[in-house]
Amino acid sequence: KAGVTQTPRYLIKTRGQQVTLSCSPISGHRSVSWYQQTPGQGLQFLFEYFSETQRNKGNFPGRFSGRQFSNSRSEMNVSTLELGDSALYLCASSPNREDYGYTFGSGTRLTVV
Amino acid sequence: QKEVEQNSGPLSVPEGAIASLNCTYSDRGSQSFFWYRQYSGKSPELIMSIYSNGDKEDGRFTAQLNKASQYVSLLIRDSQPSDSATYLCAVYGGATNKLIFGTGTLLAVQP
Repeated sequence: KAGVTQTPRYLIKTRGQQVTLSCSPISGHRSVSWYQQTPGQGLQFLFEYFSETQRNKGNFPGRFSGRQFSNSRSEMNVSTLELGDSALYLCASSPNREDYGYTFGSGTRLTVV
Repeated sequence: QKEVEQNSGPLSVPEGAIASLNCTYSDRGSQSFFWYRQYSGKSPELIMSIYSNGDKEDGRFTAQLNKASQYVSLLIRDSQPSDSATYLCAVYGGATNKLIFGTGTLLAVQP
């Protein structure tokens, strides 16, 4: 059974650019969440999606956005990149909206220069 | 006050000893509690979940929950060097309806 797949694994972008990260959940999983992980702040919640609807959003600026497609795949977008956006972005999936025993993907390491 | 607090460590224990990892949370309405293990350079991996007061055992791992004290712990018996990792406590429910993570405790098991 394939796990949670995130692409790309590594990304280097310049300040001011925009980036889109992709996440394919485990087959049959309908809930997808995104987290930002940095050494200083740990795992910070970005968004949670279920059946193409955003259920919850973390305390991040409007430059961070996301969406979920009908096949449960999800994307997150960061516009006008800042140096402080450099982080590991993790996607996690679970079978349903009440199950928070997440399975995480390997993450996308974003470096903003 | 942080929503989920953990001692950052490192917690150093000798091989074969019991490692005790602790976590406190601020929202009394929290309903579900999880422990994740994260090896350096890897993503978090779920190792235990607990939903009601008391103990829950799974192999060498025991999760303990005390909702009155807003306290969750993880015991690792017969610790092995391969248990060396960062252990993340995560709490769901209450006012936020989000899965909130602590910053993790680094465990080092000495051979």
